Amino acid sequence: DVKVTQSSRYLVKRTGEKVFLECVQDMDHENMFWYRQDPGLGLRLIYFSYDVKMKEKGDIPEGYSVSREKKERFSLILESASTNQTSMYLCASSRAEVLLSGEQYFGPGTRLTVT
Amino acid sequence: DAKTTQPTSMDCAEGRAANLPCNHSTISGNEYVYWYRQIHSQGPQYIIHGLKNNETNEMASLIITEDRKSSTLILPHATLRDTAVYYCIVAITGNQFYFGTGTSLTVIP
Repeated sequence: DVKVTQSSRYLVKRTGEKVFLECVQDMDHENMFWYRQDPGLGLRLIYFSYDVKMKEKGDIPEGYSVSREKKERFSLILESASTNQTSMYLCASSRAEVLLSGEQYFGPGTRLTVT
Repeated sequence: DAKTTQPTSMDCAEGRAANLPCNHSTISGNEYVYWYRQIHSQGPQYIIHGLKNNETNEMASLIITEDRKSSTLILPHATLRDTAVYYCIVAITGNQFYFGTGTSLTVIP
C-alpha cells in the first residue's frame, strides 16, 4: 500500500517561530502536494512539486515556502509563523501522469496551532 | 472554485445502500468526476472516478447521468466505518483539484 507519512500529528508553535513540516512517501511518486484544511473552506492547495528541486505555487502560497531535495521528501516551511496559519496541514503524492488530479494519496495530517 | 454542489449532510442505516448525490451542471466534456472521502482525523482517501460510463470498484459504484450534469456515489452496504465526509470533485486531468466542503455521511447503527 502507498504510504505517506507526516512528521507530526500535532504541533504547537509560537508566533514568529520558523516551522518545518515534513512529508515522506514510499511509492516513488513524482508529484507531491501540500494542502491546508480549515472549517468551511475545504482543502486549499499551498504548493506542489512535480520533480526534485521543482516547485509550483498553489492557491495560497503566501507565508509558506517548500523544499524538495529528494524525491520521497517534501517539506513545508513557515518562515515566521502567525496565528492565521493555525490549521490542519495535509501532504499528498501521486504518479507523474496524473499531476494535479487523479488519484492522490494523503498523509494523516498535522494539526498546527500557532499561539 | 468548486464546480460541484453536494448536500451538507446525510444519514444512512447500517447495512443499507448509501446514495450520495452530486450536481456538476457546468461540467465540460474533458472533465472527470472524482470522489474522495475523509474519515475524522485522517487525510482524504481516493474512492473512485469516471468520465462518462458508470464505474465500480471494491469500495463503491459511481453512476453518472447521460448528460453528465450529476452523479451518484453508491456505497452498497454501508458500515459504521463509512461515516466520513465525502467530496465530489470535477477536474481535467492535469488541472488542480478543488475539494469543496463535501457531504458529511453518518451511518446509524
